[in-house]
Amino acid sequence: GESVGLHLPTLSVQEGDNSIINCAYSNSASDYFIWYKQESGKGPQFIIDIRSNMDKRQGQRVTVLLNKTVKHLSLQIAATQPGDSAVYFCAENSNTGKLIFGQGTTLQVKP
Amino acid sequence: DTGVSQDPRHKITKRGQNVTFRCDPISEHNRLYWYRQTLGQGPEFLTYFQNEAQLEKSRLLSDRFSAERPKGSFSTLEIQRTEQGDSAMYLCASTQPGLSGYTFGSGTRLTVV
Repeated sequence: GESVGLHLPTLSVQEGDNSIINCAYSNSASDYFIWYKQESGKGPQFIIDIRSNMDKRQGQRVTVLLNKTVKHLSLQIAATQPGDSAVYFCAENSNTGKLIFGQGTTLQVKP
Repeated sequence: DTGVSQDPRHKITKRGQNVTFRCDPISEHNRLYWYRQTLGQGPEFLTYFQNEAQLEKSRLLSDRFSAERPKGSFSTLEIQRTEQGDSAMYLCASTQPGLSGYTFGSGTRLTVV
């Protein structure tokens, strides 16, 4: 699979490979994190979330890892498919309930 | 209930005109959020309501912007005297304490010409 050590705006992977998208968050007091997928012309779509008392959570083909020490979040997508092509955002929940979004990463899946 | 609904999907307006957008959240969600998203950027928080109370407003929300949620159900976002810099996607989201995730609508794309 292909991974990104630091945040890059675009990630291009081959269909079937694993993808890893990284995100740095800003507030060490944030206790809830969400990954969203956004397709062109649509609103963000919930993928997976994780609370700060966990360091890993798995869903269907997706895994989120949380490293609170360095304030880093990653999204792993297994066996990436063309339908996974989209912009991916991480978001942290502030103590007032609003979401603060990180920079997006555009995932391009090559057939 | 099919999710968060926003109307209109697209709005083109002339500079200086007023525009109003509507958001219908998921019916049992008591929290409603407005965000603005410009091309290539993540959504930026504007304001949020818990029931009918507006609990927080971003500094991005100038005095030309006003949001209401009069009965704690649907919400409206009004922009007065629109400027070209207001061109963006306006997103609405809803949630309820204890739920996972925030559900977003498809947004209203505003173009000010």
